Amino acid sequence: TQLLEQSPQFLSIQEGENLTVYCNSSSVFSSLQWYRQEPGEGPVLLVTVVTGGEVKKLKRLTFQFGDARKDSSLHITAAQPGDTGLYLCAGKLSYNTDKLIFGTGTRLQVFP
Amino acid sequence: GVTQSPTHLIKTRGQQVTLRCSSQSGHNTVSWYQQALGQGPQFIFQYYRKEENGRGNFPPRFSGLQFPNDSSELNVNALELDDSALYLCASSPLPGTGELFFGEGSRLTVL
Repeated sequence: TQLLEQSPQFLSIQEGENLTVYCNSSSVFSSLQWYRQEPGEGPVLLVTVVTGGEVKKLKRLTFQFGDARKDSSLHITAAQPGDTGLYLCAGKLSYNTDKLIFGTGTRLQVFP
Repeated sequence: GVTQSPTHLIKTRGQQVTLRCSSQSGHNTVSWYQQALGQGPQFIFQYYRKEENGRGNFPPRFSGLQFPNDSSELNVNALELDDSALYLCASSPLPGTGELFFGEGSRLTVL
């Protein structure tokens, strides 16, 4: 069974704080995606990382792919209420399908 | 974008359900995922050029179709209580990128 474990499961912070979400697996992924999902909506793609050790920045969000391509992290600097949502990491094992293994998600609440 | 119908539906055990999805313009790959409450989505299957292109760990009573206009449907026979979930359709321009554009989902409740 391929598992992708995310931590923490829940995170409740004040506006302006920094946070990091972790995504870990024993499997090696060909790529890893981070999605954000809001209530009543489908997940929205934030970023794709492909190369081991890769770091990508999206405004206040920094994504890192582990050297062995088994783990990833998402760091948010100076969180804002608009960052509230469910953050999902998803690993792709195969090169020719979109069978993504999703983590259970990190539910982030940012209070003003 | 990706549109799904119906948005909500209620069925009873043993019934059959069909969920529909219109993919984003220019996308010829459609994937279906099941998301139980409090869980991440689980891959059901993917269709590319009307052929199944990968399947997750779901029984054969979960079946699908992709039409010439790249729209798709998911059929579930002999519904069970555990089939209650949000069913997400996602499209992409080609299979294998992992970069999916999701619809808002169809919320199925099985009583």
